[in-house]
Amino acid sequence: EDQVTQSPEALRLQEGESSSLNCSYTVSGLRGLFWYRQDPGKGPEFLFTLYSAGEEKEKERLKATLTKKESFLHITAPKPEDSATYLCAVCEDSSYKLIFGSGTRLLVRP
Amino acid sequence: GAGVSQSPSNKVTEKGKDVELRCDPISGHTALYWYRQSLGQGLEFLIYFQGNSAPDKSGLPSDRFSAERTGGSVSTLTIQRTQQEDSAVYLCASSYRGTGMDGYTFGSGTRLTVV
Repeated sequence: EDQVTQSPEALRLQEGESSSLNCSYTVSGLRGLFWYRQDPGKGPEFLFTLYSAGEEKEKERLKATLTKKESFLHITAPKPEDSATYLCAVCEDSSYKLIFGSGTRLLVRP
Repeated sequence: GAGVSQSPSNKVTEKGKDVELRCDPISGHTALYWYRQSLGQGLEFLIYFQGNSAPDKSGLPSDRFSAERTGGSVSTLTIQRTQQEDSAVYLCASSYRGTGMDGYTFGSGTRLTVV
């Protein structure tokens, strides 16, 4: 059965303290892996799509990487405004449904 | 519109009553999706529309749940005889292409509380 596992469940960082969030996945064939950011009371906001192992994408302080079994979201020198829940999702070959992990709640303290 | 609009933003209903949740997708987006997010859980797929057709309804939890889309635009998710376990945030998303590979755009959701 397809599965997406995110770790850690929660992460507290000091402003400027870089770290990584992990997303492990099991699918029969990966069409794409997605990262979203979700603020309280709002819907998820699209960040990145990764398609194949070795691919990397960057946006401001965020960098997403992909291997055949997992993806990492690296946060460099985070700021308090980066505090949010980060969601990972996969789309299987020949599908359109996203299978979501439970998310990592990130808190960046000033 | 500029984004995906959902209404109401909050709904409190009594157990056993019917509710309707509305989603207005981004203009021109052919694909529309409903997901459910329970407290502390990931998003759970409910149903997918391509135009007015629903090729995949496999995520609907029971026959109390139904959805329709008209004019290739607005969609309504209806829950009949609501139960307490239906309490969750119901999220709608749309995408330009049916594959969703361009990244969904989500609305802010409807928070449903069944008392």
